Amino acid sequence: SQQGEEDPQALSIQEGENATMNCSYKTSINNLQWYRQNSGRGLVHLILIRSNEREKHSGRLRVTLDTSKKSSSLLITASRAADTASYFCAPDSWGKLQFGAGTQVVVTP
Amino acid sequence: NAGVTQTPKFQVLKTGQSMTLQCAQDMNHNSMYWYRQDPGMGLRLIYYSASEGTTDKGEVPNGYNVSRLNKREFSLRLESAAPSQTSVYFCASSEPRGIDYGSYTFGSGTRLTVV
Repeated sequence: SQQGEEDPQALSIQEGENATMNCSYKTSINNLQWYRQNSGRGLVHLILIRSNEREKHSGRLRVTLDTSKKSSSLLITASRAADTASYFCAPDSWGKLQFGAGTQVVVTP
Repeated sequence: NAGVTQTPKFQVLKTGQSMTLQCAQDMNHNSMYWYRQDPGMGLRLIYYSASEGTTDKGEVPNGYNVSRLNKREFSLRLESAAPSQTSVYFCASSEPRGIDYGSYTFGSGTRLTVV
């Protein structure tokens, strides 16, 4: 399965702290994407990193990709209460995304 | 606002009933997808349509059918609902070419309960 697997399953931090979550996958990919899901809502695309990229930034988000280790990480800096959500990685091969179970992040004020 | 619209938002069915979940996108995307999400799990792909006129099975297609009515619309049909199909269903679209190719836009979901 090409499904991404996130680690940890849950993360609890305080506002202002950084949150890091990891993703592993099994086969070659075209790109890897990260999504956020607020409770009861649809998924929102955060960032896409292509297989020939190693690092990408978007606002307070930093994503790394190591294709030799088949792994990626998502760093959220200076977290806010509004960052409370589930975060999913999704490896993309042949145009189809397969999602893992996600990392549930809780940011307390 | 541009995006993916799903209807209905909530639905309760009795076992054996049928229904169609509707999805429409106004971004002129070629590809559309249906996923289901069960508690504590990620999204699992049911069916997808790479372009108008084509549909293919995903990871969990049993019990479902789809229709790509035109470029905008992609519907999901449950012919005989079962309690195991109780889930939240998400439609998504993507554009496989161009600068932004690869990222998906999701609808807000349909919460389906089969009793």
